[in-house]
Amino acid sequence: QITLKESGPTLVKPTQTLTLTCTFSGFSLSTSGVGVGWIRQPPGKALEWLSLIYWDDDKRYSPSLKSRLTITKDTSKNLVVLTMTNLDPVDTATYYCAHRRNIVEAFDYWGQGTLVTVSS
Amino acid sequence: SNELTQPLSVSVALGQTATITCGGSNFGTKNVHWYQQKPGQAPVLVIYKNINRPSGIPERFSGSTSGNTATLTISRAQAGDEADYYCHLWDISTGVFGTGTKVTVL
Repeated sequence: QITLKESGPTLVKPTQTLTLTCTFSGFSLSTSGVGVGWIRQPPGKALEWLSLIYWDDDKRYSPSLKSRLTITKDTSKNLVVLTMTNLDPVDTATYYCAHRRNIVEAFDYWGQGTLVTVSS
Repeated sequence: SNELTQPLSVSVALGQTATITCGGSNFGTKNVHWYQQKPGQAPVLVIYKNINRPSGIPERFSGSTSGNTATLTISRAQAGDEADYYCHLWDISTGVFGTGTKVTVL
């Protein structure tokens, strides 16, 4: 049974750095073809893809946010960390992590999401 | 880069068929995926790689593609199908989500 759960601060001040952790179980990020991605959703708005890390440590970022994002994994601890620098109120959103397999291509398992508010 | 455009809203009578489109500029050989999201919940995958249903998704959900348009069809719509629906594809290894469609079952 695959599960993912996001954790991190609920309130961040503008210009600060956000660090989110995705803790997962039921799969290994050392298995060929597996990846974990991050997706966010501002209140009342559409989903936005942010980043993806693969089993082989290949990393992908949204072109519009690439300069602000860093994704890493700790395979032994079953977690993925996303950092986003220079936060702005427009970054207020629910942040989701999700599981991906090459054979499916889509995000087939999602965490519950965590709401991050950027405000002074 | 691909931008995926969906209708803002679709209404369907109970028991009838709803059709949600997802339009892009250059689908090529890219596969399209669809997610259902109910209020306050995480998205759920309902169609992957254009036409495939994950385990547990009713056969009433089907997908298709033609040219630069992907379509999600919900047959025999039920009240529980009322949700937001998003299409998604990978464009040169970066993810793109559609603008989202709110489906209302009347």
